[in-house]
Amino acid sequence: GQNIDQPTEMTATEGAIVQINCTYQTSGFNGLFWYQQHAGEAPTFLSYNVLDGLEEKGRFSSFLSRSKGYSYLLLKELQMKDSASYLCAVRDRSNYQLIWGAGTKLIIKP
Amino acid sequence: DVKVTQSSRYLVKRTGEKVFLECVQDMDHENMFWYRQDPGLGLRLIYFSYDVKMKEKGDIPEGYSVSREKKERFSLILESASTNQTSMYLCASSRDRGHSASYEQYFGPGTRLTVT
Repeated sequence: GQNIDQPTEMTATEGAIVQINCTYQTSGFNGLFWYQQHAGEAPTFLSYNVLDGLEEKGRFSSFLSRSKGYSYLLLKELQMKDSASYLCAVRDRSNYQLIWGAGTKLIIKP
Repeated sequence: DVKVTQSSRYLVKRTGEKVFLECVQDMDHENMFWYRQDPGLGLRLIYFSYDVKMKEKGDIPEGYSVSREKKERFSLILESASTNQTSMYLCASSRDRGHSASYEQYFGPGTRLTVT
């Protein structure tokens, strides 16, 4: 079957670092996406991984291990505006559709 | 700047009404998608379209239909609205499938539909 797991909620402190994990099981794999969604707004694209390793983009980094079916999103120097839900999605090779996790709500405290 | 727009941010309809949700993208994207988003669940795909006049069922098509008469416009139709269709509806678009490039999906602001 196809399944994506992420923690429901995480709390972190402003200025700190947080790692949001995502594990997946899919029949085929053709890339993993991370999106950010602020409350009441549309999801916006953060990162894409298709090969193993770390992709860094400013304060945000995303890691992928295809053999382990595992990814994480790393947020550094947390700011209050990073309070949002973070959605993990895997693209299925067979039909190129995205399979979405339920999202992780990240709460940043001063 | 890429843009996906949806006809309404908030909508209240009665049970049994026919409901139309419109989505327009200005990026000349081939692919368009309709999702619903409910608390505690991931985005669930209702229908998608890879070309004009083409549609394919997603994971939860029951009670919905779609129309794509023009490349930029993708409409979602609730044939007879029911209370269990109360949800946030998100439209998205992306460039052509069949590539290994990222071709991320761009989302509209969403329509929060309440069926009473």
